[in-house]
Amino acid sequence: DTAVSQTPKYLVTQMGNDKSIKCEQNLGHDTMYWYKQDSKKFLKIMFSYNNKELIINETVPNRFSPKSPDKAHLNLHINSLELGDSAVYFCASSQSGRARGGDTQYFGPGTRLTVL
Amino acid sequence: DAKTTQPNSMESNEEEPVHLPCNHSTISGTDYIHWYRQLPSQGPEYVIHGLTSNVNNRMASLAIAEDRKSSTLILHRATLRDAAVYYCILRADSWGKLQFGAGTQVVVTP
Repeated sequence: DTAVSQTPKYLVTQMGNDKSIKCEQNLGHDTMYWYKQDSKKFLKIMFSYNNKELIINETVPNRFSPKSPDKAHLNLHINSLELGDSAVYFCASSQSGRARGGDTQYFGPGTRLTVL
Repeated sequence: DAKTTQPNSMESNEEEPVHLPCNHSTISGTDYIHWYRQLPSQGPEYVIHGLTSNVNNRMASLAIAEDRKSSTLILHRATLRDAAVYYCILRADSWGKLQFGAGTQVVVTP
């Protein structure tokens, strides 16, 4: 069983559309994250949820809205897609983000979003 | 957050050890040193972490300088599967965001 799964793996869409990426973890973890990896390969944290509560919200346009229906799922909805949103989006989870020294994060395989 | 500095790339022959350095001169007393790696077209993968003492696990060893201003990730016998970007990251005792830098691209040649 895949520990952290994301769907879809690839997403190609037109500018201005609205799309969602889903993430599920079966590890029983309390904390989930979204990261963005741009064309220059830099990985940046976007959001983090702990037990369905938003705890990290980096400087991300409000067109991006995370939703956590339960602690095993963290979805990312993007409104009015722009060319600059093209990137690989990674979901991750950890037992407890507040653990001393930070606990291990487990990453999903990524979703490659291409905005045309 | 404290920053880390790593070489852009390193090359190794298969089955030889690889020593990946990381400088973190502004590390604070509560920062843990974490290493992740990212294989091509995959998500990052945890490798190892430590605070002050050297650490070993099945994947690698982490050697931490006495003043904690630098550390070295050691892959004991590189395989082709170890070709990846390796990230050295400092984690404070806070909510768990990982601050990734550019990392070190490890190339393993047969």
